[in-house]
Amino acid sequence: DAGITQSPRHKVTETGTPVTLRCHQTENHRYMYWYRQDPGHGLRLIHYSYGVKDTDKGEVSDGYSVSRSKTEDFLLTLESATSSQTSVYFCAISESSPGQGRETQYFGPGTRLLVL
Amino acid sequence: SQQGEEDPQALSIQEGENATMNCSYKTSINNLQWYRQNSGRGLVHLILIRSNEREKHSGRLRVTLDTSKKSSSLLITASRAADTASYFCATEGAQKLVFGQGTRLTINP
Repeated sequence: DAGITQSPRHKVTETGTPVTLRCHQTENHRYMYWYRQDPGHGLRLIHYSYGVKDTDKGEVSDGYSVSRSKTEDFLLTLESATSSQTSVYFCAISESSPGQGRETQYFGPGTRLLVL
Repeated sequence: SQQGEEDPQALSIQEGENATMNCSYKTSINNLQWYRQNSGRGLVHLILIRSNEREKHSGRLRVTLDTSKKSSSLLITASRAADTASYFCATEGAQKLVFGQGTRLTINP
């Protein structure tokens, strides 16, 4: 998985509780992404980062926030988890920027989150 | 708003046969990529084809791209049990990579 780890790998939490997922990379890639994967929807982009402290929203950002204080770490926070946020969350990294025609993404192993 | 849509959604074939999956998209692209996902794992990049390319090979994989029809196909030749996985196309346009919903491929022994 290209030097990308995610923690925790599995989590069960209750509605209304805050949850933070961590993505850690050892590749020194500039770009990092958080996706969620749900049956019938494929992969959908939540947030992405194009550098330390530089982040932007993706397709399904409502209810999520992110932070990137170091190149190697990208955190995804669910401020108040809801059952609709039950999903598998994937972190990805890339070396080149989107839109330049060279972007290949490398994915972490995923985090399974269940919100009861 | 998914850009790529794979067809079929599921495909089951016998080991040794060829598997073909298709991807259609809606807007202009810089490139189109195919990824594989084994059960319970992250996606793994397979191959990238640029918008000015028509065909590309990598081992047992053959990808074609028809920009006039806004479609691509992934052919896996001489399939093996280990090819059982979900396959996703992803299109890169002006901005971020957009993934389709995937084709679930099952190789039967």
